[in-house]
Amino acid sequence: QVQLVQSGSELKKPGASVKVSCKASGYTFTSYAMNWVRQAPGQGLEWMGWINTNTGNPTYAQGFTGRFVFSLDTSVGTAYLQIDSLKAEDTAVYYCARSEGNTALRGVLWWGQGTLVTVSS
Amino acid sequence: DIQMTQSPSSLSASVGDRVTITCRASQGIRNDLNWFQQKPGKPPKRLIFGASNLQGGVPSRFSGSGSGTEFTLTISSLQPEDFATYYCLQHNNYPQTFGGGTKVEIK
Repeated sequence: QVQLVQSGSELKKPGASVKVSCKASGYTFTSYAMNWVRQAPGQGLEWMGWINTNTGNPTYAQGFTGRFVFSLDTSVGTAYLQIDSLKAEDTAVYYCARSEGNTALRGVLWWGQGTLVTVSS
Repeated sequence: DIQMTQSPSSLSASVGDRVTITCRASQGIRNDLNWFQQKPGKPPKRLIFGASNLQGGVPSRFSGSGSGTEFTLTISSLQPEDFATYYCLQHNNYPQTFGGGTKVEIK
C-alpha cells in the first residue's frame, strides 16, 4: 500500500526557513517522480515543481525559484521541501504527490496528507 | 504555459441532479488530464485519469470525457458525499497546471 506521510504543521516567523518532509513507503522510491503542490488558504491547487527521485534533479515552476528547494534522502525514502526567507504569503498547505512514472508528466494518484506552514510574526 | 480554464467556479445542486464541470486547455493536451475531488482539510482524491478512465474504487456515477482542448467531468446523480471542490490537472507539458476549481454546494 503506497503511503506518503508528511511532517507536522509549522509556525514560523517571517525571514525564517522551514523544511517539510514526505516519507514514502509501499513502493520503490526511486522509480517514481515526486511533485510538490501548494494550496493557499481558501485557494486552489498550484503545482510547484517536481524532483526526479532517481537523479535528484529538481524542476521548479515559475514563481517557485530561488527560495524553494526540493531534495531527497533516498536511503530513507524521503523527499523534502525547504522554503527560505519565509514571507506571510507562503502561508499554505504544502502537499507532496507521487507521479505515476519516473517523470512528472504521468499524472498523480498518491498524495501526502498535507503540511500547513503558517508564517506570522 | 498551458492554461486550464475550469467552469463554473461554483454551482448549487440538489441530491439526484446531473452535474457537469468543464475544463478547457489553452492548447491541445491529448488526453493527459486527471480529475480530482477535494473535501475540506483533505488532500485531493483522483477520480479520473487519461481524461475518461475511472479510478479504481470511484463510483460509476462519475465519468470523464474529452480530448485535445475540451474536457468534462459528469456526476450522473449527485449524492450527499459528492459535495466538494473539483479540479482538473493537465500533465501533458511543463508546468503541469490545475484548473481553478469548481465548488459543488447543496441547493
